[in-house]
Amino acid sequence: DADVTQTPRNRITKTGKRIMLECSQTKGHDRMYWYRQDPGLGLRLIYYSFDVKDINKGEISDGYSVSRQAQAKFSLSLESAIPNQTALYFCATSSSRDGNTEAFFGQGTRLTVV
Amino acid sequence: AQSVSQHNHHVILSEAASLELGCNYSYGGTVNLFWYVQYPGQHLQLLLKYFSGDPLVKGIKGFEAEFIKSKFSFNLRKPSVQWSDTAEYFCAVMGTGANNLFFGTGTRLTVIP
Repeated sequence: DADVTQTPRNRITKTGKRIMLECSQTKGHDRMYWYRQDPGLGLRLIYYSFDVKDINKGEISDGYSVSRQAQAKFSLSLESAIPNQTALYFCATSSSRDGNTEAFFGQGTRLTVV
Repeated sequence: AQSVSQHNHHVILSEAASLELGCNYSYGGTVNLFWYVQYPGQHLQLLLKYFSGDPLVKGIKGFEAEFIKSKFSFNLRKPSVQWSDTAEYFCAVMGTGANNLFFGTGTRLTVIP
């Protein structure tokens, strides 16, 4: 089983609809992140959370919101989806207990807004 | 502020050719450096990482990278590529004391059999 699981893997939605992408992890990490990947732009950080009560905006948070329901769960919502939010979305986790550690990524959610 | 530059957007090589992908970063302090690989249709996987010590880091699948502090660089190398190395490669940096990873825009590698 994957350590970082994203659902759904693929989603097509209409403009204006609210959609939630979910992420859960079994790694016991305290830090969780949401990135979007666009061709030629690499990965850009949307939101990150260092603890259940700690939520921070990343570089492109407009149009998105997040919820850290538990240490293991971090969901990303698009309140009113628009076509330029069509992208590949990745959830990632890391641990603050080991200062030198990498991020572990989920399989990604491909979102298309029509 | 942190930033990462990958100057090669698309590299095409024949099998057995040598590979070097450039990565430069900007950050005023100590950094942790990473190379991730994304095979077609898959998620990002760690190739190698540098935290401290020997600036020449060896990773999986024969990849290595060299941290040159004076040049703010962390270039990825492989002496002989294989068709299965076709993927997108991302350099990432985390400044110690910073909150998250910053990624470069990625380099797409195509290896021709």
